Amino acid sequence: KNEVEQSPQNLTAQEGEFITINCSYSVGISALHWLQQHPGGGIVSLFMLSSGKKKHGRLIATINIQEKHSSLHITASHPRDSAVYICAVFASGSRLTFGEGTQLTVNP
Amino acid sequence: NAGVTQTPKFQVLKTGQSMTLQCAQDMNHEYMSWYRQDPGMGLRLIHYSVGAGITDQGEVPNGYNVSRSTTEDFPLRLLSAAPSQTSVYFCASSSGHLNTEAFFGQGTRLTVV
Repeated sequence: KNEVEQSPQNLTAQEGEFITINCSYSVGISALHWLQQHPGGGIVSLFMLSSGKKKHGRLIATINIQEKHSSLHITASHPRDSAVYICAVFASGSRLTFGEGTQLTVNP
Repeated sequence: NAGVTQTPKFQVLKTGQSMTLQCAQDMNHEYMSWYRQDPGMGLRLIHYSVGAGITDQGEVPNGYNVSRSTTEDFPLRLLSAAPSQTSVYFCASSSGHLNTEAFFGQGTRLTVV
């Protein structure tokens, strides 16, 4: 079993829908990252959080340390949100452990 | 501010050839790392460095070599390329403190034939 599990693996939505991507982890962590990878491959950091909730535009990330779970929400989804979303945790030292990613497709 | 610069973007090698993937950052980050990304798998750590002169192995180090002679540069060397090393490679850097953002290069798509 991977230390970081994401669900769903693939998600297709219609433009305007509210989207939730989940991340569960099995180890103690100091911080969790949500990353976005667009077609063409570049990876950008969306959020880094260690507790509570963060919001940036239409994106919201939450984390529950006790339950070892984080969610990434996208409100009013748009086709340009289509990408792979990756959860990664700092579990030990400065090393990141990554989930396999969630492929999101938003159709117009 | 360039961030993390990774070159080349694409490369095709023949089995047995060697090459170096370049990674440079201009943010004075102590921590740099190399990952490979394969279909159906999360990014896996190849090698990492917590500062100039210090490197260590990650999850999948075999067939790769690294050095960190300066804070800015962290090249990844493939000693004798094998088809199993066909992958997309990412370099990343961060300040090294636990609660800070990680920055990624644009990736290198490597094919070994």
